[in-house]
Amino acid sequence: EVQLVESGGGSVQPGGSLRLSCAASGFTVSSNYMSWVRQAPGKGLEWVSVIYSGGSTDYADSVKGRFTISRDNSQNTLSLQMNSLRAEDTAVYYCARGEFSSAFDIWGQGTMVAVSS
Amino acid sequence: QSLLTQPPSVSGAPGQRVTISCTGSSSNIGAGHAVHWYQQVPKTAPKLLIYGSYNRPSGVPDRFSGSKSGTSASLAISGLQAEDEADYYCQSYDGSLSGYVFGTGTKVTVL
Repeated sequence: EVQLVESGGGSVQPGGSLRLSCAASGFTVSSNYMSWVRQAPGKGLEWVSVIYSGGSTDYADSVKGRFTISRDNSQNTLSLQMNSLRAEDTAVYYCARGEFSSAFDIWGQGTMVAVSS
Repeated sequence: QSLLTQPPSVSGAPGQRVTISCTGSSSNIGAGHAVHWYQQVPKTAPKLLIYGSYNRPSGVPDRFSGSKSGTSASLAISGLQAEDEADYYCQSYDGSLSGYVFGTGTKVTVL
């Protein structure tokens, strides 16, 4: 079964760090492009970052310089290292698989990140 | 600030047809980038509904259809059912941002 499962969410103080992981099954992470998408409480979806099959990455302006996306081919996992966290980073974070037409066809269940003092 | 604008809400009675618009610009939809649509039931992950502007993944009822013209796209739901009550988002790629963009989201209510 093709599946994504996120982990690593939690509560952190402003300025702190957190690392999210996304375990894939049923397909190979490195053969697809993978993204993180977040959703603040009561708000819409916001794209955060992407890593392409070739290894190049892109970020939303709101997280550029603070977040780093990576993958572990041996573990078939995707990660998001989040530093210098702010209150506005509070959200459910989803990992998603991108397909050839640029749609996200497989989504994880999400993991909650709460940034508060 | 989202670059794709959707109406906040639409509603219809069971069996009716509703449409949701998604207005972009020359750097995303107008540049020829595909538009995709997602359905999100509260407290659950989004589900891909339409990809490549017009195509339905396996398992999505043909009551859902997509269209695209110029800098805009639309999602139509015909034969509205109670289970269609959810939030709907459009999505595309923006060349100016070198990133992906989501619409502002539309809540569909079945009266």
